[in-house]
Amino acid sequence: NAGVMQNPRHLVRRRGQEARLRCSPMKGHSHVYWYRQLPEEGLKFMVYLQKENIIDESGMPKERFSAEFPKEGPSILRIQQVVRGDSAAYFCASSRTGGGGYNEQFFGPGTRLTVL
Amino acid sequence: KQEVTQIPAALSVPEGENLVLNCSFTDSAIYNLQWFRQDPGKGLTSLLLIQSSQREQTSGRLNASLDKSSGRSTLYIAASQPGDSATYLCAVRGGSEKLVFGKGTKLTVNP
Repeated sequence: NAGVMQNPRHLVRRRGQEARLRCSPMKGHSHVYWYRQLPEEGLKFMVYLQKENIIDESGMPKERFSAEFPKEGPSILRIQQVVRGDSAAYFCASSRTGGGGYNEQFFGPGTRLTVL
Repeated sequence: KQEVTQIPAALSVPEGENLVLNCSFTDSAIYNLQWFRQDPGKGLTSLLLIQSSQREQTSGRLNASLDKSSGRSTLYIAASQPGDSATYLCAVRGGSEKLVFGKGTKLTVNP
């Protein structure tokens, strides 16, 4: 009965490299959300996905960031050409349902990205 | 645009004390409100979820209330323990699926 899994837990990249963050939702959950927590800031929504579909990407930066949730396998948050300002903790959450009043999101342990 | 504010930003109490953490939000059109706990360098643990139609939820020593019309929620912790030391986050969900978070209250319970 594993919870939301994220890997890697810590990721170090040099400026200009690519970062790939993975998220496996809880068993039975088909809705995935990505949030970013910058130092001294609250968590900010980035993107909401269902299997093979991006539902809401209103929180994603317009450039360099992309997300996918394929039919098979984990959800991937991809950051191209990373800059120091991308250093943050990236959290993934999942839920069983996506609509209605009862929609509890369960969070993973996060990936802490450091850009040198 | 929904904004969530948590007061105080930090709180230090002696062990055994009862305490209240506050959360306010600007748009009362919410579906639900969640309280989370975050330990340093760790993920978020969901503590309580209150539906918009509910007034409160209880789990063990925790009690969360919701007054949607005034845009307020409180998290009451009874008989605090050093293990309760963490950052407590409040988040609301409106018409979209995304959660809007406050910046949290950092709680320290001193033995």
